[in-house]
Amino acid sequence: QVQLEESGPGLVKPSETLSLTCSVSGASISDYYWSWIRLPPGKGLDWIGYISDTGSTNYSPSLESRVTISLNTSKNQFSLKLNSATAADTAVYYCARGQTTWYFDLWGQGTLVTVSS
Amino acid sequence: SYELTQAPSVSVFPGQTATITCSGDKLGDKYACWYQQRPGQSPVLVIYQDTKRPSGISERFSGSNSGNTATLTISGTETLDEADYYCQAWDNSYVVFGGGTKLTVL
Repeated sequence: QVQLEESGPGLVKPSETLSLTCSVSGASISDYYWSWIRLPPGKGLDWIGYISDTGSTNYSPSLESRVTISLNTSKNQFSLKLNSATAADTAVYYCARGQTTWYFDLWGQGTLVTVSS
Repeated sequence: SYELTQAPSVSVFPGQTATITCSGDKLGDKYACWYQQRPGQSPVLVIYQDTKRPSGISERFSGSNSGNTATLTISGTETLDEADYYCQAWDNSYVVFGGGTKLTVL
C-alpha cells in the first residue's frame, strides 16, 4: 500500500523559508511525477510545482521565483522550499503522486502551515 | 495562462443526478480529471482521462469531455457525495485546477 506523508514546521515567520518534506512508502519514487499542491483557507486547490523521477522540475508561474522542489531518491523523499513566505502562503500543503497523463492518484493527508509572527 | 472555470455551487436532492461542469479553451483537446474533497480530508481522484473511474470509485460517478466543457455526473446522489469537486487539466507543462464547485445535497 503506497502512502505519502508530509512533515515540517507548522508555523513559519514572515519573510522566512517554508520547508516541507514528503516521505513515500510502499513504492519507489521512480517512474512518477511528484507534486506539491496547497489549499489556502476558503479558497481552491493551487498547484505549486512538480519534480520528475529524473529530477526535472516545473513550477507554477505565480510561484516560480520563490519555489524549489528537490528529490532524495536514497530516502524516497521529495521536498519543497518556498522563500520569502507571507501570510498569503498560509495553507494546507499536500504532496501528491502524478501519473504521466497528468492526474494525481495518491495524496498525502496534508499539513497546515501558518505564516505568522 | 490557461484557466478552468467552475460554478461555485450546485445543489441537488438525494436520488437526483448532479451535473458539475468545467470550462476551458479547447478543453476537449486535453485530458480532464476530477477530484472530490470532503471537509478536512485530502482530495480523492474520482475521474481521470476524461471518463475513467479509479478502482474503488462508485459507478455513480461518470465523466465526459468535449469542445470547451468537461462534465462530472453523479447519478443517484447520496448525502455522502456532499463535498467540493475540482476539475484539473494540464496545459503546456503546467497543471491547472478549476476553482471548485461545492455540491450540496439538500
